[in-house]
Amino acid sequence: SQKIEQNSEALNIQEGKTATLTCNYTNYSPAYLQWYRQDPGRGPVFLLLIRENEKEKRKERLKVTFDTTLKQSLFHITASQPADSATYLCALVRAGKSTFGDGTTLTVKP
Amino acid sequence: SAVISQKPSRDICQRGTSLTIQCQVDSQVTMMFWYRQQPGQSLTLIATANQGSEATYESGFVIDKFPISRPNLTFSTLTVSNMSPEDSSIYLCSVERSGGVDGYTFGSGTRLTVV
Repeated sequence: SQKIEQNSEALNIQEGKTATLTCNYTNYSPAYLQWYRQDPGRGPVFLLLIRENEKEKRKERLKVTFDTTLKQSLFHITASQPADSATYLCALVRAGKSTFGDGTTLTVKP
Repeated sequence: SAVISQKPSRDICQRGTSLTIQCQVDSQVTMMFWYRQQPGQSLTLIATANQGSEATYESGFVIDKFPISRPNLTFSTLTVSNMSPEDSSIYLCSVERSGGVDGYTFGSGTRLTVV
C-alpha cells in the first residue's frame, strides 16, 4: 500500500537557521508533490508544487527538491523566523488524488 | 485563487445525531473534495463531489454515513450521520487551484466533538 513518511513529528531550530523537512514515499509514483503549511485550528495553506520531472523549485525563502529515484522530497526554509512555526504537510498527487503525510511540526525559537 | 467559506467552525453534538457541514466557494469549480483530519493525524480523503452526479467515496467511507450534496458549482454539504465519539475530528472541504496544477485551497475546517 502507499505510504508517506515525514521526518520526525517535531523539529526545533533556532531563528536564522535553515529548517529541512523530509518527505519519503514508497509504492508510489506521483505526478507531482505539494507542500502545505497548517496552523492550529486552520486548514492547510498551499506553499509549493514540484513536478516529477523537476529537481528543484524555489519561492522566496522556500526551496523544494524532488528525487524520484530516492522517492524523497526535501523542503527547506532558509533564514527561519518564529512566524514560520507551524505544521508542514507534504502531499503526493497522482490521477487527481492527493495523499497526505502526517506532517512535521516546526518550532523556530527566537 | 478561490476563497472557501466553511461552517460551522466547530460543534459539539450528541451521539446518534447528525451534523451537516457547508462549504461555499466564491467561484465556480468542477470538483470539491471532503477530508477528515483526526487528532494528531493527517488528512484523509472522504469523497469527491461533482456537480450533477453522485459523489465518489474513498475506501472506508460510505454514502449512508457521509451523504454529500452538490447542488451547484459553488456549494456542497457533507453530513456526518448517526454520530459516535469516533467521528470526532476536523472536517475540511477543498477545491483545486488553477485547474489542479497548482495545489488545493482548503476551507478553515469544522471541528466536531461527539459526546
